[in-house]
Amino acid sequence: EVQLVESGGGLVQPGGSLRLSCVVSGFSFTTYWMTWVRQAPGKGLECVAKINQDGSQKHYVDSVVGRFIISRDNAKNSVFLQMNSLGVEDTAVYYCARAQGVDWGQGTLVSVSS
Amino acid sequence: EIVMTQSPATLSVSPGERATLSCRASQYISTHLAWYQQIPGQAPRLLINGASARATGIPARFSGSGSGTEFTLTISSLQSEDFAIYYCQQYDDWPFTFGPGTKVDIK
Repeated sequence: EVQLVESGGGLVQPGGSLRLSCVVSGFSFTTYWMTWVRQAPGKGLECVAKINQDGSQKHYVDSVVGRFIISRDNAKNSVFLQMNSLGVEDTAVYYCARAQGVDWGQGTLVSVSS
Repeated sequence: EIVMTQSPATLSVSPGERATLSCRASQYISTHLAWYQQIPGQAPRLLINGASARATGIPARFSGSGSGTEFTLTISSLQSEDFAIYYCQQYDDWPFTFGPGTKVDIK
């Protein structure tokens, strides 16, 4: 059974940082690039970052360039999203996904508020 | 950035009826198009990949068609569990982008 389990969300003040983690099982992790997707409350879906199989290629949506860093640890079947300089506009449920969205985790809520 | 649009925004359908959802890309994306179903409070679920290939475990009443810039998701006979929001997504070019969604509700 394919499983993706995110953690690390929470309440943070504007300007703060959080590190999200996603541990996967049930498929060959090193075969797939991985994506972080977010969904603001009551809004649609936005791909935030993606990383290729060996971590050598990373891409970000413009709104997070210079603030977010995606990484992976293939030995631990894990993908991460380091989020810095958070703003209220980053408040969302963050999902990790296999490739562009073949499988999804349950999501972790990030709330940015003072 | 490729802009995805969906129509209609809301579709009211009776159980057992057919539903047809449309998705348009602002530029050519070949068949690099996916459809997702999202029930409020849950993660999205992949229905269709490559514009027309059903994902594992997806019932045959779901079908996708189209290529280039125009795409369609058809649900042949709506079941109670199909009332949800449906999103299309292009993965031809980064950033991968989603349409705003079509809400399918009970008529």
